[in-house]
Amino acid sequence: TQLLEQSPQFLSIQEGENLTVYCNSSSVFSSLQWYRQEPGEGPVLLVTVVTGGEVKKLKRLTFQFGDARKDSSLHITAAQPGDTGLYLCAGVMGGGSNYKLTFGKGTLLTVNP
Amino acid sequence: GAVVSQHPSRVICKSGTSVKIECRSLDFQATTMFWYRQFPKQSLMLMATSNEGSKATYEQGVEKDKFLINHASLTLSTLTVTSAHPEDSSFYICSASRGTRGETQYFGPGTRLLVL
Repeated sequence: TQLLEQSPQFLSIQEGENLTVYCNSSSVFSSLQWYRQEPGEGPVLLVTVVTGGEVKKLKRLTFQFGDARKDSSLHITAAQPGDTGLYLCAGVMGGGSNYKLTFGKGTLLTVNP
Repeated sequence: GAVVSQHPSRVICKSGTSVKIECRSLDFQATTMFWYRQFPKQSLMLMATSNEGSKATYEQGVEKDKFLINHASLTLSTLTVTSAHPEDSSFYICSASRGTRGETQYFGPGTRLLVL
């Protein structure tokens, strides 16, 4: 059973278009993280959202955490070819020595010039 | 910053041999390290969590006798794939955390393992 559902799984768009990626779960997370991963490399943390309803902006990227802390979205404005990559959401559960991340399946984004 | 390195970056081995992958935190002490496995175009699956000086905690379905994890110091953890088979071919990624209170995980660049 996949704890975190990401959609869409694949997305191919033209440069300049906007897009939204969704991350949904039936579980409540203490926080949720978004990562971007390029082929052959490890994921790089983009943002952590902690508070229900929280919105964070990172240049053209806008991240939102659902009020119930079960879902999140990533919106990219005016996408550029450099945004191409695998976007992963990860829910943070537990605490202390039991802390761990649960990753969604990812959204593979291709931005065509 | 917090830099995590992995060695080797890619390795090819024969079926039946063992392969050791190193994960190092270069500029901080990592109380906790995590090992993930990723198949092509799929997400990261947590294999195990290791705390320095104690036995690793393995996720359900991960064979601890096949994937040996050692976290001997605050800057080094190793994953040994024993008696490797072609189905063990995958991208193995480690991450390191400064503490155990839910701090950010810093990911290594990954190790591509191909078992022939």
